[in-house]
Amino acid sequence: AQSVTQPDIHITVSEGASLELRCNYSYGATPYLFWYVQSPGQGLQLLLKYFSGDTLVQGIKGFEAEFKRSQSSFNLRKPSVHWSDAAEYFCASKTSYDKVIFGPGTSLSVIP
Amino acid sequence: DAGVIQSPRHEVTEMGQEVTLRCKPISGHNSLFWYRQTMMRGLELLIYFNNNVPIDDSGMPEDRFSAKMPNASFSTLKIQPSEPRDSAVYFCASSDRGWQPQHFGDGTRLSIL
Repeated sequence: AQSVTQPDIHITVSEGASLELRCNYSYGATPYLFWYVQSPGQGLQLLLKYFSGDTLVQGIKGFEAEFKRSQSSFNLRKPSVHWSDAAEYFCASKTSYDKVIFGPGTSLSVIP
Repeated sequence: DAGVIQSPRHEVTEMGQEVTLRCKPISGHNSLFWYRQTMMRGLELLIYFNNNVPIDDSGMPEDRFSAKMPNASFSTLKIQPSEPRDSAVYFCASSDRGWQPQHFGDGTRLSIL
């Protein structure tokens, strides 16, 4: 079955430090990949998406993600984290049935 | 734009009662999704409508769950009878990009006692 994995359940970084959140997908064909962010008590917000073309994708809030087919990965990065970035981050992928499935999420804590 | 609006934000009810969750999508969006979020199972797609027609309801857990979209501006998710294992946060999302969920509501936190 197609799946999305996020190896890190929880990550803590210091404010101002760089961030990388890992995501791996299992869909064999050209994947459609997404990153969403969920702040406490709120719904998900789309940060960025990759369909094709340039493997480095820019998103909102200063985030970017890099698609690496050889590693089946789509990692999310930010060069300098702000306290307001503390949230739950979800990687997602389109399946062959035109359905978007989500990874289990990575919880990000930011230390002042 | 007002975003996706869900009501109620919180619902606490006793087992066996009927529960109705409501969603108003963003105006002009022709796709609507219902998701359920739990600690154990994460985010699960329950049903996906396009142009008010259910396209994929394979995620609906069982016959106790039903969803309707009578028009482009309103959808309901109904659970009857409700059970404690239905306790979760239910999200509605809408999109103008077909199968891609773009904008999520803030969810309904449902507790079945």
